[in-house]
Amino acid sequence: AQSVTQLDSQVPVFEEAPVELRCNYSSSVSVYLFWYVQYPNQGLQLLLKYLSGSTLVKGINGFEAEFNKSQTSFHLRKPSVHISDTAEYFCAVGPYDKVIFGPGTSLSVIP
Amino acid sequence: DVKVTQSSRYLVKRTGEKVFLECVQDMDHENMFWYRQDPGLGLRLIYFSYDVKMKEKGDIPEGYSVSREKKERFSLILESASTNQTSMYLCASSPSPGELFFGEGSRLTVL
Repeated sequence: AQSVTQLDSQVPVFEEAPVELRCNYSSSVSVYLFWYVQYPNQGLQLLLKYLSGSTLVKGINGFEAEFNKSQTSFHLRKPSVHISDTAEYFCAVGPYDKVIFGPGTSLSVIP
Repeated sequence: DVKVTQSSRYLVKRTGEKVFLECVQDMDHENMFWYRQDPGLGLRLIYFSYDVKMKEKGDIPEGYSVSREKKERFSLILESASTNQTSMYLCASSPSPGELFFGEGSRLTVL
């Protein structure tokens, strides 16, 4: 069985500061890993994905994530956040047919 | 641009009513999904479909059914709505492993 843990339910950070949103997963098979973002009153959109290859993955809006197989982690980072990054962020894991989502981390960027 | 449209953004129903949630995608994707989103629980998969007239149970199918008569349309049905089905319902379609395109969601309140 697969599962996803997001260690922080809420992360406040000042504008232009760096941020890291943590994600750990468990799986008995090879995994695909994803980060999705949900802006207020909107559906989710894909931020970035890891399927294979380089463990450092770059996504939209300046975000990146690093796959660490030994630590079963896929943490999301951004070196300098903007007010517009305020949103809910979901880590997800899966094979093709069943993408499992974590509970989400609410990122609040403080001016 | 990719488009997944959910027919109703907000619905209020009474206990015992039959509820239809409609989802239409314009991208010719074979795979479609229904999730429900609850605070602190993230997204949970209700049902998914690989093709017309095909459906597979997700993690929480109890109390729900689905219909896929045409490739672009995937409907979620609550045969007899209950208060514990009050939630945000998200439809998604997918062209490739884990890459989900979501609609804006349907917020259902059951009184």
